[in-house]
Amino acid sequence: AQSVTQLDSQVPVFEEAPVELRCNYSSSVSVYLFWYVQYPNQGLQLLLKYLSGSTLVKGINGFEAEFNKSQTSFHLRKPSVHISDTAEYFCAVSYSGGYQKVTFGTGTKLQVIP
Amino acid sequence: GAVVSQHPSRVICKSGTSVKIECRSLDFQATTMFWYRQFPKQSLMLMATSNEGSKATYEQGVEKDKFLINHASLTLSTLTVTSAHPEDSSFYICSASPQGTEAFFGQGTRLTVV
Repeated sequence: AQSVTQLDSQVPVFEEAPVELRCNYSSSVSVYLFWYVQYPNQGLQLLLKYLSGSTLVKGINGFEAEFNKSQTSFHLRKPSVHISDTAEYFCAVSYSGGYQKVTFGTGTKLQVIP
Repeated sequence: GAVVSQHPSRVICKSGTSVKIECRSLDFQATTMFWYRQFPKQSLMLMATSNEGSKATYEQGVEKDKFLINHASLTLSTLTVTSAHPEDSSFYICSASPQGTEAFFGQGTRLTVV
C-alpha cells in the first residue's frame, strides 16, 4: 500500500520569503507524485506532477518540486511567496499503472504573512 | 489533459432527502472512477471505486446503502447520498484516468445538508 506524509500541518512565512513544504511517501512500486492546491471553499488545482524523466519538476505559479527516490521525498518549493499563495497544499501519490487511485497527504496550510 | 466534469458544484438539501452527484469523463472512456470525500479542515479520503457494469467497491467505514454508486456507462458515474443528514455535509470529488495516465479530478461538489 502507498502512503503520504506531510509533517507540517501549518507553515507561516513572510511575503517574498522562500518556502519549502515537505512530503514523503512510501510505496513498494513505481509511483506518480503530485502537488495540489486548494483555496478556501474551492476544488483542487494541480500545481505540478512527476510521472517520469527529470526529477526537477516545474509547475504553475512559480512552484517547483524535486523527486528524490532515495529519500522517498517530493518537497515543494517556491523562491518568493505572495499573499495569494495562502492556501492548503496537498501532496498525493498514485501507482504508475492501473486506474490511478490517489492517496493524499494530510495537507499543509501555507499562511503568507504580509 | 483529459477532462472530468462534475455536477453540481454546490448543493444544499434538507435533512432526509437524497442528492445525486454526477461525474463525467468528457473526452475519454473510464471503466473505473473514484469518489473521494473531504470533511471540513481535513484531507481527501477515498470513499469508493466505481466500476462500469458492476458493483462499486467501498472503503472501510463507508456505508454502501447510504452512498449509492451507479456506473452505467463508460463516461458517467453517479453518487447518490440517500437520506442525507447534516453530518454528510462535505466536499465530494471524483476522479478518472485514461488508461496508463494519471488521475484527473472533477471540480468537486460541496454538499450542505440543513
